[in-house]
Amino acid sequence: EVQLVESGGDLVQPGGSLRLSCAASGFSFSTTWMTWVRQAPGRGLEWVANIKEDGSEKHYVDSVKGRFTISRDNAKNSVNLQMNSLRAEDTAVYYCTRYARSPDVWGRGTLVTVSS
Amino acid sequence: DVVMTQSPLSLPVSLGQPASISCRSSQSLVDSDGDTYLHWFQQRPGQSPRRLIYRVSKRDSGVPDRFSGSGSGTDFTLKISRVEAEDIGIYYCMQGTHWPLTFGQGTKLDI
Repeated sequence: EVQLVESGGDLVQPGGSLRLSCAASGFSFSTTWMTWVRQAPGRGLEWVANIKEDGSEKHYVDSVKGRFTISRDNAKNSVNLQMNSLRAEDTAVYYCTRYARSPDVWGRGTLVTVSS
Repeated sequence: DVVMTQSPLSLPVSLGQPASISCRSSQSLVDSDGDTYLHWFQQRPGQSPRRLIYRVSKRDSGVPDRFSGSGSGTDFTLKISRVEAEDIGIYYCMQGTHWPLTFGQGTKLDI
């Protein structure tokens, strides 16, 4: 069964840092792009970042460039999102997705709350 | 950035009746490879999003055939032939042709 399980969400103060992780199973992880998508409370979906199969290509939405870093460990079938300089507007459920020119498999999400 | 505009944003429906959601993009979604990367997602209350349709009209495995996608260029439509209770939720279109990837605002389907 194809599965994605996110972890690492927490309550963090503005300006703080957090590292999200996503464990993948049930498919050939090392041959698949991966994506993070977020959803603020009561709001729509927003694409955050993508990473190529070998990690050589990464893309970010403008609002997180310079603050967030996506990375992957193909030996551990995991993808991570390092989030620095967090702002209140980063508060959201963060979903890890498999990406094949679109997010076709989604995890359950992990909640990040940025508040003092 | 490519802006995805959905309409309507709220769609009251009756069970057994058809429903249609429009999605328009601010630029053509035809990629240099000739494919069009326009996709539709369903998010039921309290659940993660689920892909229903990819590349305009291809239904994902397990998606009932009452769901269909159509369109080209900048104009796309998701149709439900006969709405069932389990179809209640929010529907999003998304383009995967241009960076950054962008979603529509969402259309809330309710009875």
